[in-house]
Amino acid sequence: ETGVTQTPRHLVMGMTNKKSLKCEQHLGHNAMYWYKQSAKKPLELMFVYNFKEQTENNSVPSRFSPECPNSSHLFLHLHTLQPEDSALYLCASSQRSSVQNTGELFFGEGSRLTVL
Amino acid sequence: QKEVEQNSGPLSVPEGAIASLNCTYSDRGSQSFFWYRQYSGKSPELIMFIYSNGDKEDGRFTAQLNKASQYVSLLIRDSQPSDSATYLCAVNARITGGGNKLTFGTGTQLKVEL
Repeated sequence: ETGVTQTPRHLVMGMTNKKSLKCEQHLGHNAMYWYKQSAKKPLELMFVYNFKEQTENNSVPSRFSPECPNSSHLFLHLHTLQPEDSALYLCASSQRSSVQNTGELFFGEGSRLTVL
Repeated sequence: QKEVEQNSGPLSVPEGAIASLNCTYSDRGSQSFFWYRQYSGKSPELIMFIYSNGDKEDGRFTAQLNKASQYVSLLIRDSQPSDSATYLCAVNARITGGGNKLTFGTGTQLKVEL
């Protein structure tokens, strides 16, 4: 496999459920990201991990809990979500090196989440 | 004021014409600027980035940057129906500790008509 892969691609959950989104990158990158994309809104940065360490939490509610066990894997654990959390959740990765770092993000195909 | 502002469109151009997409940003300290293309139901993909004032050309695409005016644009020459997509402007701020913080606009929907 190549690139950034996300599972599941579609998820429907109730407000009391607990589920997780998974992201894996095969690009050898050091930084991984979660973004939220809602209709008519800009992509919203949620979390940034660099070498497994969280370097950015963009004031995300605690019902979203990220986990980064290594530089290739990123999870987003979901619990007691609200209907307004329904959105496309995009994972991305990038290279950190200050010399090579163009700032380019490589996105996965996204996980479409619906909260009932 | 929005951090990165784009006209949501849709912008309709005939096939073969030049499509001009515009973006303004609020942070004067921004260093790098990106154009991503997103087809419906797909994830964004990078098509151009630019760091320096002026023009940068890549095939049919030209990115233009004016830091004094806090303005970045994307020109698509000889527009094709396959160019129909939403174009996202993004501005980069480095994060202490590593990684990048790309701030995105809402995107401009481009429709290239036959």
